[in-house]
Amino acid sequence: TQLLEQSPQFLSIQEGENLTVYCNSSSVFSSLQWYRQEPGEGPVLLVTVVTGGEVKKLKRLTFQFGDARKDSSLHITAAQPGDTGLYLCAGANTGGFKTIFGAGTRLFVKA
Amino acid sequence: GAGVSQSPSNKVTEKGKDVELRCDPISGHTALYWYRQRLGQGLEFLIYFQGNSAPDKSGLPSDRFSAERTGESVSTLTIQRTQQEDSAVYLCASNWGQRNEKLFFGSGTQLSVL
Repeated sequence: TQLLEQSPQFLSIQEGENLTVYCNSSSVFSSLQWYRQEPGEGPVLLVTVVTGGEVKKLKRLTFQFGDARKDSSLHITAAQPGDTGLYLCAGANTGGFKTIFGAGTRLFVKA
Repeated sequence: GAGVSQSPSNKVTEKGKDVELRCDPISGHTALYWYRQRLGQGLEFLIYFQGNSAPDKSGLPSDRFSAERTGESVSTLTIQRTQQEDSAVYLCASNWGQRNEKLFFGSGTQLSVL
């Protein structure tokens, strides 16, 4: 069974601080995705990483896929209150279709 | 439709009753997923439909849970003899079934079992 572990589970920081969220597994994934979910809504995709070692940037967010395609990280620079939400990593199995999710990191950014 | 639609948005039921949750995927999407999200938790995979292939039911937690999908249209998730531990948000997602493709989610059905 493929599992994704996210850490930390909860993070409360001040506006302007930097943070990193981790997503780890013992399994190899075809791709890893990061989603953000707000209360009462379904998750919305932030990024997909496919190639081992790949780094993608989305404004203040930097995503990295591990060389062995087993782990990923999300780094946020100068966090803002609007970044508050649940961040979920999701991995597609080696076929690239069935997607499983980690337990999420709940981020709270205080003004 | 413009997005994935789920109904009802909220469902309150008594322990032991059966419930049906509905998902209307984006038109043309061949793949459809159901996930369960307990309060403050991540998404737990339940079942995956891809076109006319046999569904992947590996995530269904017990035989009280079942799901159907007719062709590439609506899906229903049925929970029989509901238990309090079934209380959660049930999320549906769909996509075109391409490799490494993103999922488009509905807003979920909040199920509360009293």
